[in-house]
Amino acid sequence: DGGITQSPKYLFRKEGQNVTLSCEQNLNHDAMYWYRQDPGQGLRLIYYSQIVNDFQKGDIAEGYSVSREKKESFPLTVTSAQKNPTAFYLCASSVSGGKGSPLHFGNGTRLTVT
Amino acid sequence: AQTVTQSQPEMSVQEAETVTLSCTYDTSESNYYLFWYKQPPSRQMILVIRQEAYKQQNATENRFSVNFQKAAKSFSLKISDSQLGDTAMYFCAFKASQGGSEKLVFGKGTKLTVNP
Repeated sequence: DGGITQSPKYLFRKEGQNVTLSCEQNLNHDAMYWYRQDPGQGLRLIYYSQIVNDFQKGDIAEGYSVSREKKESFPLTVTSAQKNPTAFYLCASSVSGGKGSPLHFGNGTRLTVT
Repeated sequence: AQTVTQSQPEMSVQEAETVTLSCTYDTSESNYYLFWYKQPPSRQMILVIRQEAYKQQNATENRFSVNFQKAAKSFSLKISDSQLGDTAMYFCAFKASQGGSEKLVFGKGTKLTVNP
């Protein structure tokens, strides 16, 4: 079955360490996204990519980095520069082309930094 | 920049009754798309319904329907015959159709509880 896989489901790190969240999709979608979800804040866009080897900053990109070397993969690195990294992270993908296609989401990764 | 506002942080409804969740948005675009997503306690994001702005007819999916008022920039979700499984966070979202940007902008959500 086609879908989006995020791993791991729970991730614990010490403050000052970089950590990479995995996101893989087999839907053959061109566009991929990373959102952060905090209580009472809804979903806020971190980075998105509409094509391989290209990506754009979202609304809260500071302290994060991404790569898009393969169509299927869009890993997110939370660096030590991110001041409040503890959150729920959602990866999504969609068909590109401005046709209003909906986003398909993974199951999320809960990151806790202490 | 587009913004999406959900003015009801929490709502509750009795099983089998009808409830309406509000959403307003701000944009200068003439054509765009609007979505409602549901996030149950499992935290999986599930698409509920989608509306194209250039279509006058309100979208409907089984017990879910929208009231799309383009001039008022309003996009409310009506849930009929509420079921316990409808308990979830509901997010309204906006997507512009032009300008090369495929970003989806979300509201802050409404927590809906369906009571038995």
